[in-house]
Amino acid sequence: AQSVTQLGSHVSVSEGALVLLRCNYSSSVPPYLFWYVQYPNQGLQLLLKYTTGATLVKGINGFEAEFKKSETSFHLTKPSAHMSDAAEYFCAVSDRRTGNQFYFGTGTSLTVIP
Amino acid sequence: EPEVTQTPSHQVTQMGQEVILRCVPISNHLYFYWYRQILGQKVEFLVSFYNNEISEKSEIFDDQFSVERPDGSNFTLKIRSTKLEDSAMYFCASSDRETFFGQGTRLTVV
Repeated sequence: AQSVTQLGSHVSVSEGALVLLRCNYSSSVPPYLFWYVQYPNQGLQLLLKYTTGATLVKGINGFEAEFKKSETSFHLTKPSAHMSDAAEYFCAVSDRRTGNQFYFGTGTSLTVIP
Repeated sequence: EPEVTQTPSHQVTQMGQEVILRCVPISNHLYFYWYRQILGQKVEFLVSFYNNEISEKSEIFDDQFSVERPDGSNFTLKIRSTKLEDSAMYFCASSDRETFFGQGTRLTVV
């Protein structure tokens, strides 16, 4: 069974500071890992994903995440926060079976302070 | 870029009424899903659908819920007798090798 833990339901950073959103997963099989962003009253937008290959994946809006199997982690980072990054961020995992469901974390609300 | 389309974007219904949420998945996808997000909570899996039948469902997906692919293009979620606690954002998704989510329907039960 898969599960996702996002440490920190609320994270605040200053504009221009490093963003680090934590995600740890539990999976009985090699997982696919995802980060989604949700702006207020909007849907889920895929930021980035890890399936196979390079463990450091780059996504949209300057975000990246690194899959660390030994730590069962997939933390999301961005070197310099922008005001427009304020949103809810969800980490998700699925196993590699075609058609399998996603398991989402509880989300982290990112606030960017000017 | 292909996209999953959901209608309506917002629906208000009275408690006890039936509601149908509609989704048009990406045309060559074979797997379809509904997820729910209660305000302020995480996104939760409801049901997956493949080959015209339910392939998996969660504990949330009880007898008041049903899904259908009535015409080969639409994928619907029906809630027979809505309760206040059904108020949530409902996301449709479809997948082939990759999963795409729709923008969601916000259901408000009053």
